[in-house]
Amino acid sequence: QKEVEQNSGPLSVPEGAIASLNCTYSDRGSQSFFWYRQYSGKSPELIMFIYSNGDKEDGRFTAQLNKASQYVSLLIRDSQPSDSATYLCAVNRAGSNTGKLIFGQGTTLQVKP
Amino acid sequence: EAGVVQSPRYKIIEKKQPVAFWCNPISGHNTLYWYLQNLGQGPELLIRYENEEAVDDSQLPKDRFSAERLKGVDSTLKIQPAELGDSAVYLCASSTLGTDTQYFGPGTRLTVL
Repeated sequence: QKEVEQNSGPLSVPEGAIASLNCTYSDRGSQSFFWYRQYSGKSPELIMFIYSNGDKEDGRFTAQLNKASQYVSLLIRDSQPSDSATYLCAVNRAGSNTGKLIFGQGTTLQVKP
Repeated sequence: EAGVVQSPRYKIIEKKQPVAFWCNPISGHNTLYWYLQNLGQGPELLIRYENEEAVDDSQLPKDRFSAERLKGVDSTLKIQPAELGDSAVYLCASSTLGTDTQYFGPGTRLTVL
């Protein structure tokens, strides 16, 4: 079992719809959770981070965390073609020094006009 | 505020040749990371520095890879000799000490022929 798992996709949604990206992790003690966006040929760009159970909203983005289910998700409202990218979930590894992030393989999102 | 700077952006070499990558982190960021990203995969940590100290190099293939951060600011990652399987994108990231929030540079795309 991979430490951080994401469906590689592609996830295809129409413009204006809600895109839901999901991530599960295996280390129950993980404490910090991040979503990065990566356009083709570019480097990862931090979108959001979440530490506590529940929802965290930032503009059109909402991160959701459920530690009991070891599940973190990213919702993108009013999806735009410019949101088409690969979204990487990253989780810190508990028990180690701060900064040890484990990345999933990423989910490719396609937003169709 | 300037972001993480990396050079070169692209490098093509023949196998068995040496290669070096340079990174300058965001000003004030004491923690520096080198990642390797293969196509279709998430970044994988190679080494993490806190100031001048390499605090996590467990994933660095030490037979051919080396890194240094002599003055606690910029860093160099070296491969000698390069192998075909080293073709990948090498990403540098930085963060403030004690946080997980990492910001990535543009990366160096290495092709080994």
